[in-house]
Amino acid sequence: AQSVTQLDSQVPVFEEAPVELRCNYSSSVSVYLFWYVQYPNQGLQLLLKYLSGSTLVKGINGFEAEFNKSQTSFHLRKPSVHISDTAEYFCAVISYFGGFKTIFGAGTRLFVKA
Amino acid sequence: GAVVSQHPSRVICKSGTSVKIECRSLDFQATTMFWYRQFPKQSLMLMATSNEGSKATYEQGVEKDKFLINHASLTLSTLTVTSAHPEDSSFYICSAVRLAGGPSYNEQFFGPGTRLTVL
Repeated sequence: AQSVTQLDSQVPVFEEAPVELRCNYSSSVSVYLFWYVQYPNQGLQLLLKYLSGSTLVKGINGFEAEFNKSQTSFHLRKPSVHISDTAEYFCAVISYFGGFKTIFGAGTRLFVKA
Repeated sequence: GAVVSQHPSRVICKSGTSVKIECRSLDFQATTMFWYRQFPKQSLMLMATSNEGSKATYEQGVEKDKFLINHASLTLSTLTVTSAHPEDSSFYICSAVRLAGGPSYNEQFFGPGTRLTVL
């Protein structure tokens, strides 16, 4: 079975500082990995995805993530954060076991301070 | 891009009443839609998978008689919370799957969510 672990429940960071949100997955088959952002009282917005090919994936709002198969990780990074990046971030993997499903991590709350 | 809408965005109801939430894919056909529930400061919990023209598949622990799901067309799925109680208060999010044209993953798009408050 596939699973996703987000190692940090909260990440406080100062504005314009770099940030990394960690995500590890477990899967015995090919993986499709995603990062979503959720602002308060809103649905999920796709930041970026890894399907195949280049292991460095660039997304919206200046975010990028690197797929590392040997470490089973898909960490999200941004070189310089803004106050507006304060939100909940979810790492997810698609599972085709028993039908198409998205498995979400527990989420990481990014809090950007002035 | 693909858009999924939910209606209503917020609903407040009295205990014992039923509430219907609609999920629509506005510019694509979705044979599969998902319903999630999200408690404050928690992740999304999959409640059920809704397939057009067939019965929904519920996750373990989700009461199918309480959370009625209907997927009557390729663009509409509804979730009805029957005899709602305060513990049903939550944020409900749907998603719709757009089928890939070939052997690729099926892209999933999320609705904006519905905040249900049961008094």
